[in-house]
Amino acid sequence: GAVVSQHPSWVICKSGTSVKIECRSLDFQATTMFWYRQFPKQSLMLMATSNEGSKATYEQGVEKDKFLINHASLTLSTLTVTSAHPEDSSFYICSASAGFDQPQHFGDGTRLSIL
Amino acid sequence: AQSVTQLGSHVSVSEGALVLLRCNYSSSVPPYLFWYVQYPNQGLQLLLKYTSAATLVKGINGFEAEFKKSETSFHLTKPSAHMSDAAEYFCAVSDRAGNTPLVFGKGTRLSVIA
Repeated sequence: GAVVSQHPSWVICKSGTSVKIECRSLDFQATTMFWYRQFPKQSLMLMATSNEGSKATYEQGVEKDKFLINHASLTLSTLTVTSAHPEDSSFYICSASAGFDQPQHFGDGTRLSIL
Repeated sequence: AQSVTQLGSHVSVSEGALVLLRCNYSSSVPPYLFWYVQYPNQGLQLLLKYTSAATLVKGINGFEAEFKKSETSFHLTKPSAHMSDAAEYFCAVSDRAGNTPLVFGKGTRLSVIA
């Protein structure tokens, strides 16, 4: 149980394109989802915390107009990278939690490459 | 504020040897501590977690970790390394067990030599 599905796993697109990444909890309801970014050979850095039905809370330095997060249901959160540029190329990972004292479960990540 | 320091960005062991990956934490509140493993181009898999119960925590794949408050440490060990253990390992801390952001260490890459 506790499976988180992230889609797509890999995307390559041209500069200026907007890209949407989906994060789904398949067998549980996720009250909270998190979006992390990971640069090559580095750790995960939290981008934002998303609670179902409310606006996401972004970490300092993360442009909320650049990285749009929507958590419209208890099983789906989306991250849209708007007008992506090469510097946005990275590995994006989501995680989901069923609630207080419930562990986070991670998706398999999305590798985004902007040409 | 919470932080995690993982000593050693790369650890190399022989197959069958002891694995020891070090993690020290800093937290102003009683911490919840986690070890995750990441294989190339994949997400994170939870190995084990400490949530203020037993200080010696057993996880999956033969790994275990001991919470030592006096040393602010949560080192990960495995008695006998297997080739399949080669991966990136992350230690993380949070102030709750669940829906709160994790603060990760920089990771330790484990190589296992045949």
